[in-house]
Amino acid sequence: EPEVTQTPSHQVTQMGQEVILRCVPISNHLYFYWYRQILGQKVEFLVSFYNNEISEKSEIFDDQFSVERPDGSNFTLKIRSTKLEDSAMYFCASSFNHREQFFGPGTRLTVL
Amino acid sequence: GQQLNQSPQSMFIQEGEDVSMNCTSSSIFNTWLWYKQDPGEGPVLLIALYKAGELTSNGRLTAQFGITRKDSFLNISASIPSDVGIYFCAGVTSGTYKYIFGTGTRLKVLA
Repeated sequence: EPEVTQTPSHQVTQMGQEVILRCVPISNHLYFYWYRQILGQKVEFLVSFYNNEISEKSEIFDDQFSVERPDGSNFTLKIRSTKLEDSAMYFCASSFNHREQFFGPGTRLTVL
Repeated sequence: GQQLNQSPQSMFIQEGEDVSMNCTSSSIFNTWLWYKQDPGEGPVLLIALYKAGELTSNGRLTAQFGITRKDSFLNISASIPSDVGIYFCAGVTSGTYKYIFGTGTRLKVLA
């Protein structure tokens, strides 16, 4: 069964450094998303992406964040200058019809 | 902002028992999704609901889209140890596909 994959599974970085989290969505899906989950808390929407542009974003998704689909398969989330409070699980999701969203296994980001 | 409250927050049940949990909001939603999350993993989609009053099953799981469109319910029949995990509801309102996630119900099954 096709699934969303994410790399790396765990990323440790120093505060102020840039990180890029990578995702490979399900191949025939058209809509892509990033969510984050701070340890022990609920899942929070960050951004949705369709047709090579951002379709929606939350207030969390400020100028430090950007997304890109650099080729036909990858979908990336970049955090330009990480802060301690960016430590969380980051989940990529994809959807064929913008309704049922399928999540990847996540990347645990630890900012020191 | 919109919030989805899930209850109960956590529950211990005996293997074989039925489980009910719900998700409520003051806002109206057009779509409800139910997910299960195991520790250290991503949410796994269980059931999707699209119409008020809709009742949908997936094996031992049954979910309903509330008539008021402000709530949804998930039932698990004859629970087994692998049902352990956190169950999240997620809803989306008209004009957006930004899913709002609930606070989660942590289920523990005692063998």
